[in-house]
Amino acid sequence: EPEVTQTPSHQVTQMGQEVILRCVPISNHLYFYWYRQILGQKVEFLVSFYNNEISEKSEIFDDQFSVERPDGSNFTLKIRSTKLEDSAMYFCASSSGGAGKNIQYFGAGTRLSVL
Amino acid sequence: DAKTTQPNSMESNEEEPVHLPCNHSTISGTDYIHWYRQLPSQGPEYVIHGLTSNVNNRMASLAIAEDRKSSTLILHRATLRDAAVYYCLRTTSGTYKYIFGTGTRLKVLA
Repeated sequence: EPEVTQTPSHQVTQMGQEVILRCVPISNHLYFYWYRQILGQKVEFLVSFYNNEISEKSEIFDDQFSVERPDGSNFTLKIRSTKLEDSAMYFCASSSGGAGKNIQYFGAGTRLSVL
Repeated sequence: DAKTTQPNSMESNEEEPVHLPCNHSTISGTDYIHWYRQLPSQGPEYVIHGLTSNVNNRMASLAIAEDRKSSTLILHRATLRDAAVYYCLRTTSGTYKYIFGTGTRLKVLA
């Protein structure tokens, strides 16, 4: 069964450093998403991406965050200058269509630890 | 704002059916109802979705009230592997985000 792949599974970084989280969505999907989950809290929507541009973003997704689809297979989330409060699980998801009836498929996540 | 309301937690005995309720009283006519679950230390996983009619798949059944203001996820025979947080979401066609609430933590007792 096709799956969304995320790397690395765990990323440790120092406060102020830049990090890039990587995702390989399901190959025929066109819509891509990033979510985060702070330990013990709910899953929070960050951003959606379609046709090489951001479709929607939440208030969390400020200027420190950016997303990119650098080639035909990868989808990345960059955090420019990490803060302690960025420590969380980050989930990538993809779907064949936008919200509504379309199913989102999630990766296993990247645990980001900011020291 | 998730715009859905679910109980924080529920318990079930193994091998018995489980009915997980969700209230979405402000749902609009074009909103779909989705259910996802999150097993410990994993990403969310799709369970089932529907618009107006009841739906069945290999994982579960979804019963949608006639006025669509509530729905119930039915696990026909709970197993220990079904212990997870279950999320009920409303999704609107033409939008590009899925808003998760706090979900229902299901505990399955052996």
